[in-house]
Parts: sequence; structure tokens; C-alpha cells
Amino acid sequence: EAGVAQSPRYKIIEKRQSVAFWCNPISGHATLYWYQQILGQGPKLLIQFQNNGVVDDSQLPKDRFSAERLKGVDSTLKIQPAKLEDSAVYLCASSLDLAGWQYFGPGTRLTVL
Amino acid sequence: RKEVEQDPGPFNVPEGATVAFNCTYSNSASQSFFWYRQDCRKEPKLLMSVYSSGNEDGRFTAQLNRASQYISLLIRDSKLSDSATYLCVVNRMDSSYKLIFGSGTRLLVRP
Repeated sequence: EAGVAQSPRYKIIEKRQSVAFWCNPISGHATLYWYQQILGQGPKLLIQFQNNGVVDDSQLPKDRFSAERLKGVDSTLKIQPAKLEDSAVYLCASSLDLAGWQYFGPGTRLTVL
Repeated sequence: RKEVEQDPGPFNVPEGATVAFNCTYSNSASQSFFWYRQDCRKEPKLLMSVYSSGNEDGRFTAQLNRASQYISLLIRDSKLSDSATYLCVVNRMDSSYKLIFGSGTRLLVRP
């Protein structure tokens, strides 16, 4: 069974630039999550989708971060404009439903210079 | 105060040693509990769930004390391949189930 796919794996940008990350969840998984993991910390939930609807985006910095899951499958996370403190690994995870175990993708490592 | 607190380590132990990690959580509404393992530059992977009755999976034993809001992980007969960061995770219900991760405890097993 294919796991959660993410791209790109690495991205280096300068501050104030824009960047987008893509996630393809495990087939049939209704729930999709985006996490931010800063070096030395555990993952922090940014946004959670159930199909194409947002369930929780309380920790998403909405002035610069946006995410969508228009068709209820793939998702994109965008940062515009990026700040130095956005340097982190962005992890996508999916689960069968809201209460299911979460499976993580390999992450996108973002460096903002 | 963080909602899930762990000793960051590192714990540096020889092969064959027994090592224990502890974790405390502050939100009594937390409903389920897990240990995840994260290798360097890799994604977190579920290691095991944690129950009040305790559960064992080979060399790994996890325990939950709800009264003290305390979770533990015991690794017996450590292997070199156990070297990783172990993340304590609690699952609580707000508008939806939400995983809250600790910062992790780093384990280094030496030959």
C-alpha cells in the first residue's frame, strides 16, 4: 500500500518569497493534516481537513499561511510571504477518519534565508 | 507550560541496557495516548498505544497513570537500531480529535 506522498522534499527560499507544498494522502483516507516541526520540537498541527472541509485551523497563521483540499484528496499548503522563523519540516499526515491512526509522509524541509 | 512534557535527553546507553522514558501531560481531557518513534530526518512512526492496564510489545512496555497524568516507555535489551527520538503523544477531543506531541526524548545506544 502506498504511503503519504509529499513534494518537494527540500526547498530553500529567501524571506518574503512564496512557497507551496503538495501532499497526496493514503488512498481512501478522509482526514488530512498539515504539521510544522521546528528543529528540536515535536510536530505542531497547523490545519486538519475532513474530505474537503476544514475541521481545525486554529493554529494556522492565517496572515501568511493558507491550505486547500479542493477535491477532498490532494492538498496544498502555501506560505506567502515566508519569514525566517518558518524554517521547519512540514509534515502531511492522513487517517481513515477523524479518530483513526495518523500516518505521516516524509515531509518537506523548508529553509528560509 | 507545555501540554506534553518530556526530558529531551539524550539518553546514552550501552547495548543490552534497559532504559525508561517518562512523559507528563497537563490536560485531563486527554483521551488516548501513544509513543511515536522518529529517526533522524525521517517522519514520526507509531510505536505503540498506551493503556492504563499497561501494554507490552516485545522489548517495549508502555504504561499510563491517569491519576498522575504520567506516561512511561520502557525498552529492555536495547539494540543499536533503537537509537532514535521517542515522542510522547496525547489525543484529545476539541472540535475534533487532536494529536499533541511532546518535544521528544533522544536515545543513543552505543556498542
